[in-house]
Amino acid sequence: GIQVEQSPPDLILQEGANSTLRCNFSDSVNNLQWFHQNPWGQLINLFYIPSGTKQNGRLSATTVATERYSLLYISSSQTTDSGVYFCAVMNSGYSTLTFGKGTMLLVSP
Amino acid sequence: NAGVTQTPKFQVLKTGQSMTLQCAQDMNHNSMYWYRQDPGMGLRLIYYSASEGTTDKGEVPNGYNVSRLNKREFSLRLESAAPSQTSVYFCASRSGGTSGRYTDTQYFGPGTRLTVL
Repeated sequence: GIQVEQSPPDLILQEGANSTLRCNFSDSVNNLQWFHQNPWGQLINLFYIPSGTKQNGRLSATTVATERYSLLYISSSQTTDSGVYFCAVMNSGYSTLTFGKGTMLLVSP
Repeated sequence: NAGVTQTPKFQVLKTGQSMTLQCAQDMNHNSMYWYRQDPGMGLRLIYYSASEGTTDKGEVPNGYNVSRLNKREFSLRLESAAPSQTSVYFCASRSGGTSGRYTDTQYFGPGTRLTVL
């Protein structure tokens, strides 16, 4: 099956710093989503982005499908950004998402 | 709109006991999913239901059964719980039955934390 690798596995930032999280995948995809899992365990969808660039406030994401990677940018980080960020992809012809192992982000005040 | 709801939130079982995790969504989605999350493993798919009346195995189906009771409800059953099934279980539903639509998003419930002693 498709492989999804996220980097870095852990990241510690000071409040106000910017960061870039990366997701590499091993095959062509027609669905890619980024999720945030907060410290209480709730999973929230951030972006549906199989290709191109989207922005939502301080967060933006870019997927370059031809090169099989996606980037999640967090600008001016806040303590509420802490948690685990997951990338999940869906192969063409399939109907289920495969998740990466996540990037754990800690933003300290 | 409650979104995706799961019950119970916490459960402790003894080895060999059975239980059913309940999931319901009020977004009129066709597809529903059960995942388990273990430390350092991300989320792994147990079973899914692409539409009412159908279910399929995911990556880690052994030891579990599912029932798609109707469009809203999708339950996960552990017939004889084992310590290896200690995990956090998430139910999800999906908007957009066909990838490539403008939005095709999974919505997650709050999770059930299960411990098997």
